[in-house]
Amino acid sequence: DTAVSQTPKYLVTQMGNDKSIKCEQNLGHDTMYWYKQDSKKFLKIMFSYNNKELIINETVPNRFSPKSPDKAHLNLHINSLELGDSAVYFCASSQALAGQETQYFGPGTRLLVL
Amino acid sequence: KQEVTQIPAALSVPEGENLVLNCSFTDSAIYNLQWFRQDPGKGLTSLLLIQSSQREQTSGRLNASLDKSSGRSTLYIAASQPGDSATYLCAVTGGSYIPTFGRGTSLIVHP
Repeated sequence: DTAVSQTPKYLVTQMGNDKSIKCEQNLGHDTMYWYKQDSKKFLKIMFSYNNKELIINETVPNRFSPKSPDKAHLNLHINSLELGDSAVYFCASSQALAGQETQYFGPGTRLLVL
Repeated sequence: KQEVTQIPAALSVPEGENLVLNCSFTDSAIYNLQWFRQDPGKGLTSLLLIQSSQREQTSGRLNASLDKSSGRSTLYIAASQPGDSATYLCAVTGGSYIPTFGRGTSLIVHP
């Protein structure tokens, strides 16, 4: 009964490749997020969608493109991967916007760019 | 721009001790403050959520307080256990519903 799931769990790829990370939540939440946690464990929000509409886009390079086909899914596509993209990417969801409700996190996708 | 600071960065205590983790933030115009726990190699688990109108929240051995005017929150853990070992993160959500995280306090409780 995983609430927020992500695939893949690990991703190792070469510089310049394009990759996607998928996220699904079965909590019936309206809002979903992507976060990046760097090597120093600092967690920073990248994007947030509410009812499939982009509401937060935090100065992320346009190589990163989120897509929300429906309220339960939020995918992250990354073009032309760079070494600095190596990090752990977390998906999260909440019933309403982050200012109002608890966020639930997925297990993370560990991306390593070689 | 909101900045969140957590002190101490790391803490090692013997089992049974009561301990306090601190979180401070620079902009007091917040909607809520949330405490999370992160185990190594895992995602974040929400512990307590304090709305801006609240002063504290309690769950079991955990108690979190919020003082908006001074920009501070504390997480109190009573009778610590080895299973409490993890990194504890504080997140503040303010304008535009953007959560800002601290860098966490890494806690080790040894038997």
